[in-house]
Amino acid sequence: EAQVTQNPRYLITVTGKKLTVTCSQNMNHEYMSWYRQDPGLGLRQIYYSMNVEVTDKGDVPEGYKVSRKEKRNFPLILESPSPNQTSLYFCASSLLGRVGGYTFGSGTRLTVV
Amino acid sequence: DAKTTQPPSMDCAEGRAANLPCNHSTISGNEYVYWYRQIHSQGPQYIIHGLKNNETNEMASLIITEDRKSSTLILPHATLRDTAVYYCIVRPPPGTASKLTFGTGTRLQVTL
Repeated sequence: EAQVTQNPRYLITVTGKKLTVTCSQNMNHEYMSWYRQDPGLGLRQIYYSMNVEVTDKGDVPEGYKVSRKEKRNFPLILESPSPNQTSLYFCASSLLGRVGGYTFGSGTRLTVV
Repeated sequence: DAKTTQPPSMDCAEGRAANLPCNHSTISGNEYVYWYRQIHSQGPQYIIHGLKNNETNEMASLIITEDRKSSTLILPHATLRDTAVYYCIVRPPPGTASKLTFGTGTRLQVTL
């Protein structure tokens, strides 16, 4: 089944403890992206990648890092999480150069205490 | 990306057609209209997209006005499972890695 898989689905952590949220897609998509969703602010893009080793900042990149060493994986790294990074995170992927929608993962609900 | 305007909420009786409007008066000639929905806190789900012609797929129909300044998403026979937030998004054509800019969407409540 074609899908975007995020792990974990739920995570509670403490301030300052490094964490990684994984994202993997099995559709050979070039484009991958991370969004966060907060009440009243909607979905906002954090980082995106157009292909392996090509990443760029979205609207709210502060406090996050990403890497794209393989086409299928696009992990989101929080080096020193803070409570304002408590949010619902979504990974998405799509093909470049073709008409069609983005495929989103099921989400990761992160709580930083 | 062009800005879109949607009503914050709508109700629809189960079995009836749900017509969700969207205004995008500043859309450019090569920008597409996309619709997504988000059920509760799940990942947004792609529904349909179009450029200037009306489009239909197994989920919905998309009607775009001739001047392309507005569109309507039609769910022909709404069910309770269609209760969700529906987002209308305008974005450049494929091949550009533009982000999807989500507004606040329309919260559709389908009732018995």
